[in-house]
Amino acid sequence: AQSVAQPEDQVNVAEGNPLTVKCTYSVSGNPYLFWYVQYPNRGLQFLLKYITGDNLVKGSYGFEAEFNKSQTSFHLKKPSALVSDSALYFCAVSRSNAGKSTFGDGTTLTVKP
Amino acid sequence: NAGVTQTPKFQVLKTGQSMTLQCAQDMNHEYMSWYRQDPGMGLRLIHYSVGAGITDQGEVPNGYNVSRSTTEDFPLRLLSAAPSQTSVYFCASKPGTYNYGYTFGSGTRLTVV
Repeated sequence: AQSVAQPEDQVNVAEGNPLTVKCTYSVSGNPYLFWYVQYPNRGLQFLLKYITGDNLVKGSYGFEAEFNKSQTSFHLKKPSALVSDSALYFCAVSRSNAGKSTFGDGTTLTVKP
Repeated sequence: NAGVTQTPKFQVLKTGQSMTLQCAQDMNHEYMSWYRQDPGMGLRLIHYSVGAGITDQGEVPNGYNVSRSTTEDFPLRLLSAAPSQTSVYFCASKPGTYNYGYTFGSGTRLTVV
């Protein structure tokens, strides 16, 4: 079985400050990890992925994520938040190259001016 | 390049009615999945397919059927609608050769009364 936990329902940050959205995972074997973003009344958009290699992964819109195998975490980060980053963020895991991904419950990020 | 197209965008059904949610992709992706999104519960996998003629159940398959007769199309059938199936439904696809993230459709908002 595979699972994802996003421990924070809501994250609030001020514009210009760094942001972190947390994700921990459980999967047998090597994890394939993903972050997606959902804007209101829209489908999800892919942000970044970790398959193998460097523990710091860079993605779209200035986001990056840090993979930590010992802590089974894959936290999403951005050095300087924008108001336009306000959205719902989902972490997902899959096992190997299997087609199905398991998603977390999502974290709502609010960036205030 | 339309990506993943879902129809209809909105639908209201009466309890016991049946209907088919359509999903089509034009990217020649092998993998396709159906998810439902409910408040506070993230995305839950209903059914998925790793190629034409191959489908499998996800976390919440009861009350839904799928088929994959072509690479492009992956319709989701509700056999006898129930109020518990009120949700937003997302179809997604991705290539099978690498573990890319999914490309999502814009969703179908279904209400069962």
